[in-house]
Amino acid sequence: DTGVSQNPRHKITKRGQNVTFRCDPISEHNRLYWYRQTLGQGPEFLTYFQNEAQLEKSRLLSDRFSAERPKGSFSTLEIQRTEQGDSAMYLCASSRGTGITGLNTGELFFGEGSRLTVL
Amino acid sequence: GIQVEQSPPDLILQEGANSTLRCNFSDSVNNLQWFHQNPWGQLINLFYIPSGTKQNGRLSATTVATERYSLLYISSSQTTDSGVYFCAVYDASQGGKLIFGQGTELSVKP
Repeated sequence: DTGVSQNPRHKITKRGQNVTFRCDPISEHNRLYWYRQTLGQGPEFLTYFQNEAQLEKSRLLSDRFSAERPKGSFSTLEIQRTEQGDSAMYLCASSRGTGITGLNTGELFFGEGSRLTVL
Repeated sequence: GIQVEQSPPDLILQEGANSTLRCNFSDSVNNLQWFHQNPWGQLINLFYIPSGTKQNGRLSATTVATERYSLLYISSSQTTDSGVYFCAVYDASQGGKLIFGQGTELSVKP
């Protein structure tokens, strides 16, 4: 299977704990995106990378959130001091892109998501 | 930023019926995608369609970029078509990311 892979698929944690999600993109894709989706809503953009460079971060990404893509391959999304409001599905996607501005983007493909529940 | 509106928000169909889902967007876009979100939450790609018409089996999509809308047609619906359908657009002014609508929840009854 050469699709986007995310793990863990489910995470239950207590408020105040740290959690980390991993995303492995489609191998030939240079762009990687993180989205968050809450019940009944469409996915909301969090951040994206072109290779190892983080090109954009949403204001939704508070100081407790950090994303990395150190070698331009897999990415991690860490949430520190989790709050109940962080409970959501965290979706990763990848695509081919060209240009340094991020404007030229191919079709995005999503992983199965990582569902976070904060008790 | 760009606004994406989908209609209707909910739709209930009898198996075998046809339906049209609509996506309106407020500004020029570089591209547009339609997704089906399955019961487990995964977004399944349906169409990548900046303009024109594409067909894939019982599904087809049309985007009229100059008039800022796209339509998704589902013919001879099946119970497995149930789920949430999302339209998402690329906005050149907001970089290379997708902006999603709120979705249309489709329920196909046997």
